[in-house]
Amino acid sequence: EAQVTQNPRYLITVTGKKLTVTCSQNMNHEYMSWYRQDPGLGLRQIYYSMNVEVTDKGDVPEGYKVSRKEKRNFPLILESPSPNQTSLYFCASSRPGTGNTEAFFGQGTRLTVV
Amino acid sequence: AQSVTQPDIHITVSEGASLELRCNYSYGATPYLFWYVQSPGQGLQLLLKYFSGDTLVQGIKGFEAEFKRSQSSFNLRKPSVHWSDAAEYFCAVGPINAGNMLTFGGGTRLMVKP
Repeated sequence: EAQVTQNPRYLITVTGKKLTVTCSQNMNHEYMSWYRQDPGLGLRQIYYSMNVEVTDKGDVPEGYKVSRKEKRNFPLILESPSPNQTSLYFCASSRPGTGNTEAFFGQGTRLTVV
Repeated sequence: AQSVTQPDIHITVSEGASLELRCNYSYGATPYLFWYVQSPGQGLQLLLKYFSGDTLVQGIKGFEAEFKRSQSSFNLRKPSVHWSDAAEYFCAVGPINAGNMLTFGGGTRLMVKP
């Protein structure tokens, strides 16, 4: 089954304790992204990657890092989480092309930083 | 800069009534438009998309949307709402060659009265 898998689904952590949220896709997609979802703001893009070793900042990159060492994986790293990073996070993947592409989303990771 | 506005944060309709969710976008190039639905505790599911051709697009679950370039709108409609349609709906816009770099609206939460 084609899917984007995020882990963990839920995470509660303390301020300053480094954490990683993993994302893996089995569709051989070149493009991957991370979004955060906050009430009233919809989803905002954190980082995106157009292929292995190619990443770029989205709209809200501060406080986050990413890496793309393999095509299927795109982990999101919070080196020193803060309470304002409490949010619902989504990973997405897609293939490049004109028109007939769509983003596939993971189930989300709800992160609470206390 | 691109942006998406969903003017209605909450909408309540009676089961069996018709539905229209509004979406206005600002985009400098040819837009690639989406509607996603998010049920409670779930990820995002694509309802429909538009990138060219017929401006009235049909999606899953009986939804349709109409692209109106002159009004920069992409409103979502359903003739008869079911209780299972209660969810949050997101409109998004992106570049035509990269379905992964999306800008989302703030979302509209739909409640359905019996």
